[in-house]
Amino acid sequence: GNSVTQMEGPVTLSEEAFLTINCTYTATGYPSLFWYVQYPGEGLQLLLKATKADDKGSNKGFEATYRKETTSFHLEKGSVQVSDSAVYFCALWSGDTGRRALTFGSGTRLQVQP
Amino acid sequence: DSGVTQTPKHLITATGQRVTLRCSPRSGDLSVYWYQQSLDQGLQFLIQYYNGEERAKGNILERFSAQQFPDLHSELNLSSLELGDSALYFCASSVGGGGGNQPQHFGDGTRLSIL
Repeated sequence: GNSVTQMEGPVTLSEEAFLTINCTYTATGYPSLFWYVQYPGEGLQLLLKATKADDKGSNKGFEATYRKETTSFHLEKGSVQVSDSAVYFCALWSGDTGRRALTFGSGTRLQVQP
Repeated sequence: DSGVTQTPKHLITATGQRVTLRCSPRSGDLSVYWYQQSLDQGLQFLIQYYNGEERAKGNILERFSAQQFPDLHSELNLSSLELGDSALYFCASSVGGGGGNQPQHFGDGTRLSIL
């Protein structure tokens, strides 16, 4: 079946530090990949997506590249801010019949200190 | 604001009881998805409805059921509640029937606490 593995958190960084959150996946076919962010007390918000190999999704300074050869979709940001503190979820969507749903990783909590 | 509305925000009840969670999708979205977020299971897909019809089923227990009404709002019914059902229940919506190019927009969730 489909699965998504994220690095364990929490990840604690100082403001302006470089961020990487690792995500690898297992899926049949050619899934679409997503990063969602959940701020405290809120629902998930789509951060970025990539729908085919070598696509780069980007939004609000965050980037992730769909790497089929390593089945990865790592999230990066060059300079984090305190306001980026949240839980980040990597997810995939597979078009396999009977399993048309988002599969989420366990989430990685990011804490950015001033 | 995602445009997806969930009510109530919090629900406290006892074991054995039945509750109904409500979701109004974004204007124009035809699909509604239900997810359960708990500490031990993470974020799990329960069920999807598209334009009133069940479209996909995930890890939904037999004690749980859902429906989507003609006005496209959806309700998730949880019965014979157990302590382990305590979780955050999210609703999401998307324009079409689901696909890699159709991002899902999430509500703020209903926090269910079973005492």
